[in-house]
Amino acid sequence: AQSVTQLDSQVPVFEEAPVELRCNYSSSVSVYLFWYVQYPNQGLQLLLKYLSGSTLVKGINGFEAEFNKSQTSFHLRKPSVHISDTAEYFCAVSDLGSGTYKYIFGTGTRLKVLA
Amino acid sequence: DAMVIQNPRYQVTQFGKPVTLSCSQTLNHNVMYWYQQKSSQAPKLLFHYYDKDFNNEADTPDNFQSRRPNTSFCFLDIRSPGLGDAAMYLCATSRDRGSETQYFGPGTRLLVL
Repeated sequence: AQSVTQLDSQVPVFEEAPVELRCNYSSSVSVYLFWYVQYPNQGLQLLLKYLSGSTLVKGINGFEAEFNKSQTSFHLRKPSVHISDTAEYFCAVSDLGSGTYKYIFGTGTRLKVLA
Repeated sequence: DAMVIQNPRYQVTQFGKPVTLSCSQTLNHNVMYWYQQKSSQAPKLLFHYYDKDFNNEADTPDNFQSRRPNTSFCFLDIRSPGLGDAAMYLCATSRDRGSETQYFGPGTRLLVL
């Protein structure tokens, strides 16, 4: 069965510092991978997605992620964070091989940017 | 322009009093999903519609029902809300099943008194 692990429940970082939010998944087949951001009391907004092709994916708000098949990881990075990046970040996987439609979400990482 | 709209944004109901949450979309997508998200947890899929075909998750309580009268609208009915049903309810759409990106609405926060 698929699963998604976000190892860090909370990540504090100072403004203008780099950040990496980790995501690992388990699946026996090819997957599509997504990162979503959720601001307080709002829905989920797509940051970026990996479907195929280049393993380095660039998204909105200066975020990027790298798909690493051998390590089954899809870590999210930003070279310089801003106060406005404070939010919850969810990694999700969609399984191609089983014919299912579902997203499996990780438990989320709360990014707190400090002034 | 809003693509997935949820109303109301905040809903207060009484224990056991039926409540309906609304979702509409301007994307003309085939699939509409309802998720329940409790505090500090990942969204949990309750059910989805593929066109008019309703698909319930195995662990979704019978207390939760859904209706999709047309492509644009989908409703979540909670027949007898309990205190444990207090959560954020997220509606999402996708063009089709499988790998398609899901687009989320802003959510409705339900409070049960």
